[in-house]
Amino acid sequence: DIQMTQSPSSLSASVGDRVTITCRASQTISSYLNWYQQRPGKAPKLLIYAASSLQSGVPSRFSGSGSGTDFTLAISSLQPEDFATYYCQQGYSTPSFGGGTKVEIK
Amino acid sequence: QVQLQESGPGLVKPSGTLSLTCAVSGGSISSNNWWSWVRQPPGKGLEWIGEIYHSGSTNYNPSLKSRVTISVDKSKNQFSLNLNSVTAADTAMYYCARKAWDRPNYFDSWGQGTLVTVSS
Repeated sequence: DIQMTQSPSSLSASVGDRVTITCRASQTISSYLNWYQQRPGKAPKLLIYAASSLQSGVPSRFSGSGSGTDFTLAISSLQPEDFATYYCQQGYSTPSFGGGTKVEIK
Repeated sequence: QVQLQESGPGLVKPSGTLSLTCAVSGGSISSNNWWSWVRQPPGKGLEWIGEIYHSGSTNYNPSLKSRVTISVDKSKNQFSLNLNSVTAADTAMYYCARKAWDRPNYFDSWGQGTLVTVSS
């Protein structure tokens, strides 16, 4: 099984800040890495697929990068609706998710 | 735009069987996608349970494989989850989701989720 590790597990930030979240795979997964946003009480929403491709309808302030084992999700200018929990998911083999990163208001 | 809706009992007794159905609307379950179940224990992260293709082919999470069965009903455009021998550890929000046919295997449509509690 491929283990996914996210860091940090939580962070505090202000509206307008640039935020980065990292995700590391226990073995190489090429670019088969996806990112999701989950707001409280809601289902996850796909943001980024294949490491860096923006899902249709997702604001361009979200971006993804990385390949192999190390990946990053960046939010260029945090908006009030971006306070949520973010998950990475590897799609190289049997799907597995990272533990999540909760983005809170400072 | 495809929509998914979970349904089923919200309370299951320990050692019993959890049964949920996911109705798909706005699209065909016979499209080139996998149809998955994902769960999330309260306050915790996401766990993929398994998936089915419209042909009936299935894949399961090895950690749950011995207790899980996923089936499809093309005539009703829906798929179902059975999880047997449940314990309190199976208490979770259960989501159905559409997964891409191949890598990068992303989940691009999700149901709203249904909370299942295992308790006597």
